[in-house]
Amino acid sequence: DIEMTQSPSSLSASVGDRVTITCRASQSISNYLHWYQQKPGKAPKFLIYAASTLQSGVPSRFSGNGSGADYTLTINNLQPEDFATYYCQQGYSVPLTFGGGTKLEIK
Amino acid sequence: EVQLVESGGVVVQPGGSLRLSCAASGFNFDANIMHWVRQAPGKGLEWVSLISWDGGNTYYGDSVKGRFTISRDNSKDSLYLQMNSLRTEDTALYYCAKDRGNWVFDYWGQGTLVTVSS
Repeated sequence: DIEMTQSPSSLSASVGDRVTITCRASQSISNYLHWYQQKPGKAPKFLIYAASTLQSGVPSRFSGNGSGADYTLTINNLQPEDFATYYCQQGYSVPLTFGGGTKLEIK
Repeated sequence: EVQLVESGGVVVQPGGSLRLSCAASGFNFDANIMHWVRQAPGKGLEWVSLISWDGGNTYYGDSVKGRFTISRDNSKDSLYLQMNSLRTEDTALYYCAKDRGNWVFDYWGQGTLVTVSS
């Protein structure tokens, strides 16, 4: 099974800041890396697929990057609605696996 | 508009069984792989199972293999999860999710809560 490790597990930032979340796979996953946002009491929302392609409607302040086993999610100019928990997920092989999540909180 | 509505979550005793349902609308259900993903209270996301468009191929997470069975009825635009030999660690919110291709979950339901407790 492919293990996904996200860091940090929590992060405090202010509106207007830039933040980066890292996701590392236990092996190369060839850009089959996807990102989701989850707010309290809500279902996850799909943000980015194939490491760097934004889902339609996702603001351009979100960006994804990476290759091989290492990937990042960057949010520029943080907005109040961005404070949430973010998960990465590998779609390279079954069983599909998620990172442990990064909780982004307001400083 | 894509909609996924889960149902069937209840409180059940350890060792018991339960069947979850997910009613889909707003897309060609019979053309899409579908998934179940769960989230234990206060915890992260865990993929449970997937089923191919025609039901011919199914895959399971290690923690549910041999106990859970995923199925679908394309004539009813519905997805199911039969859960047997339930354990306390199966307590979670169970989400139904649509696959956009390449095992990406592009739409999620609101979830149905399964509580396994004596």
